[in-house]
Amino acid sequence: GNSVTQMEGPVTLSEEAFLTINCTYTATGYPSLFWYVQYPGEGLQLLLKATKADDKGSNKGFEATYRKETTSFHLEKGSVQVSDSAVYFCALSPHGSGNTGKLIFGQGTTLQVKP
Amino acid sequence: DADVTQTPRNRITKTGKRIMLECSQTKGHDRMYWYRQDPGLGLRLIYYSFDVKDINKGEISDGYSVSRQAQAKFSLSLESAIPNQTALYFCATSDTTGPGADTQYFGPGTRLTVL
Repeated sequence: GNSVTQMEGPVTLSEEAFLTINCTYTATGYPSLFWYVQYPGEGLQLLLKATKADDKGSNKGFEATYRKETTSFHLEKGSVQVSDSAVYFCALSPHGSGNTGKLIFGQGTTLQVKP
Repeated sequence: DADVTQTPRNRITKTGKRIMLECSQTKGHDRMYWYRQDPGLGLRLIYYSFDVKDINKGEISDGYSVSRQAQAKFSLSLESAIPNQTALYFCATSDTTGPGADTQYFGPGTRLTVL
């Protein structure tokens, strides 16, 4: 079946530190991959996505590369800010699910950035 | 104004009560979804709808029902609430076709507590 596994949190970093949040997936075919972010008290927002192998999604200084050979989509940022404190969700949309738009989410990783 | 709105934002109810959560959207999307979020479990799909006449069960539909009153409105009901339905509930929408069809847009969430 389809599933997403994220590194457990919370992740606590100092401002300007390098961030990596690991995400691996299991899926048949060629899923689309996503990172969503949830700021305190808000709903989820799309952060970035990639739809095929070797694609790199990027937004707001965050990047993730679709690695089919390692079934991974790790989120990185070179220098985090306090405002990046949030919960980050990795998700996939299974291949051929354009008819349903279903998303399968990881469990979420909480990031706390300290000044 | 928010594109996806949910009411109420917070609700406390008692075991056995019937409760309805409402979702409205101004994005003009045909597809709508209800998820619940529990700590450490990510988001899980309860129901989804392709259009007004199409309703489908997600992975955890037991104990829930939905109504798609119009393209813009999708309600979730708990016929007889129980404490393990205490969670954060999210509504989401997505487009039907095109490159953005697999991107979902989330409401701010409803925090439900069942005593």
